[in-house]
Amino acid sequence: AQKITQTQPGMFVQEKEAVTLDCTYDTSDQSYGLFWYKQPSSGEMIFLIYQGSYDEQNATEGRYSLNFQKARKSANLVISASQLGDSAMYFCAMREKNSGYALNFGKGTSLLVTP
Amino acid sequence: DTAVSQTPKYLVTQMGNDKSIKCEQNLGHDTMYWYKQDSKKFLKIMFSYNNKELIINETVPNRFSPKSPDKAHLNLHINSLELGDSAVYFCASSQTGGAPTEAFFGQGTRLTVV
Repeated sequence: AQKITQTQPGMFVQEKEAVTLDCTYDTSDQSYGLFWYKQPSSGEMIFLIYQGSYDEQNATEGRYSLNFQKARKSANLVISASQLGDSAMYFCAMREKNSGYALNFGKGTSLLVTP
Repeated sequence: DTAVSQTPKYLVTQMGNDKSIKCEQNLGHDTMYWYKQDSKKFLKIMFSYNNKELIINETVPNRFSPKSPDKAHLNLHINSLELGDSAVYFCASSQTGGAPTEAFFGQGTRLTVV
């Protein structure tokens, strides 16, 4: 069964607007971590933001914030003030102790920022 | 200094050949990984090594074998390459003991089997 679900294969957003990329997860672990990575067309994997399962505050990193709703098992990424350079694939991932700490990735969301 | 470096970046080879991809990390992390990204961009864990011990091995054909000479290196050997092995392979590392960190990825190796 898919542990990470990203239901939006593609998204459009206008420059300077905010956009939310959805991610839901499935785990029976109490301790886990949730990550978002960006993959531009050049191919590298860029870490954006992390949320631990015990963190009470939503994580923020500059223009990125993670809307963590534990009861709903969702970890949506919010990008504020979108820039053209934000156009990329975005992957949500989860790390669990019982998976050897490897990241399980969702299928990704392709974001296109338009002028 | 590159944190996680893998070579080569591109690899084109014929079916049936044996090839290796090298990976090195200079972050002092205790765990290294190999991921495969298919043509639909889906990233799937292949192997994970913690302090030179294999701790997970997802359903990967035994033609793929990871080799870790020390905790800073995790190489991937592939025997008898098949067309379906064409993909981008990413090496990554993270710290899992003590204060866990995010995974740092290499730049990827695009393998094309012809």
